[in-house]
Amino acid sequence: EADIYQTPRYLVIGTGKKITLECSQTMGHDKMYWYQQDPGMELHLIHYSYGVNSTEKGDLSSESTVSRIRTEHFPLTLESARPSHTSQYLCASSDPGEAGELFFGEGSRLTVL
Amino acid sequence: GQNIDQPTEMTATEGAIVQINCTYQTSGFNGLFWYQQHAGEAPTFLSYNVLDGLEEKGRFSSFLSRSKGYSYLLLKELQMKDSASYLCAVLDSNYQLIWGAGTKLIIKP
Repeated sequence: EADIYQTPRYLVIGTGKKITLECSQTMGHDKMYWYQQDPGMELHLIHYSYGVNSTEKGDLSSESTVSRIRTEHFPLTLESARPSHTSQYLCASSDPGEAGELFFGEGSRLTVL
Repeated sequence: GQNIDQPTEMTATEGAIVQINCTYQTSGFNGLFWYQQHAGEAPTFLSYNVLDGLEEKGRFSSFLSRSKGYSYLLLKELQMKDSASYLCAVLDSNYQLIWGAGTKLIIKP
């Protein structure tokens, strides 16, 4: 069983609020990812990291930021939430030698009113 | 552009066999992956193909033809718990996963 954890699992906030979604993994994986997924739609890569102090933008990154100060921790921050940010956010990690085998957290379902 | 196509939804009967197809056009190819995602949950890894042919894993098998840009996931002896979405993903030349939208599989008794 994968050891990757996300908090909060569910969050309802008002427009304009700043939020941070937390993600931690205990597998020692170097590579970590944030995806956004709407119901019935494909996963969209928001940000990823190859390791400590490495962060890269994905397809939908322009309205969020990430940091990777520790191997196990990869938080995602929305500076000013909007209703269009309402979605499921999935954090994942992978072993460097297994780039396509991702271990996912249980997700953070965000609703912005 | 990069593209992964798979049917939106399929229905099958408990105990039967179902084949979920996936076609892809990507910049480079470093493997094809199938994931299972139950409603409201995160995806979980099912299988991996990098060479042509069939990989079998219990009731699930996955096939790959690189020349045709084609894969399928075969599920045998279907159980109700197999009701889920099945995601096809390709690892491209940059070792990034390109995801399909998933096939929702509905199992009927």
